[in-house]
Amino acid sequence: GNSVTQMEGPVTLSEEAFLTINCTYTATGYPSLFWYVQYPGEGLQLLLKATKADDKGSNKGFEATYRKETTSFHLEKGSVQVSDSAVYFCVGIFSGTSYGKLTFGQGTILTVHP
Amino acid sequence: GAVVSQHPSRVICKSGTSVKIECRSLDFQATTMFWYRQFPKQSLMLMATSNEGSKATYEQGVEKDKFLINHASLTLSTLTVTSAHPEDSSFYICSARDGPRGETQYFGPGTRLLVL
Repeated sequence: GNSVTQMEGPVTLSEEAFLTINCTYTATGYPSLFWYVQYPGEGLQLLLKATKADDKGSNKGFEATYRKETTSFHLEKGSVQVSDSAVYFCVGIFSGTSYGKLTFGQGTILTVHP
Repeated sequence: GAVVSQHPSRVICKSGTSVKIECRSLDFQATTMFWYRQFPKQSLMLMATSNEGSKATYEQGVEKDKFLINHASLTLSTLTVTSAHPEDSSFYICSARDGPRGETQYFGPGTRLLVL
């Protein structure tokens, strides 16, 4: 079946470190892929998205490239800040699902220390 | 961007009572809204898909008689937890899709339910 798998955390980094959160998907077709972020005490927000192979989504210094060959959508940021501390979810919308149903990865808790 | 609100943000109730949670799309019409449940340090679990003017579609394992969903207008969906028990304590989150073909979902801030 369709699924999204992301690296388990928690991830702890120092400010200005490089961030990678891995995400892979399993699907019969080609899903649309998203990264959502949940800051402490807030609702989920769309961080970036990519709807087809080789698309690169980017926002707030974060990037993720939709790679069909490796069925991956890894999230990266060159220099993290304390304010990036949050929970990050890799999410997919798969072909054949109704009403735009989202399939969530497990979530990765990121903590950035000064 | 589009804003989704939830009310209340936090509720404490006694076991056996019912609790209603509202989800509103503030600046767009949402024909489809979704209700999720999030346990501590875990991902979101889709409970049901709510369509304006029709019955909600529940995910497998979710009791539709316990979690009543009503989507009476294009900007409002409600989730009622009936005869709540301590095991229903959780964080409930709604989201709304921006149009029938929109892929982006906008999430509410969530409602923390504690059943004593």
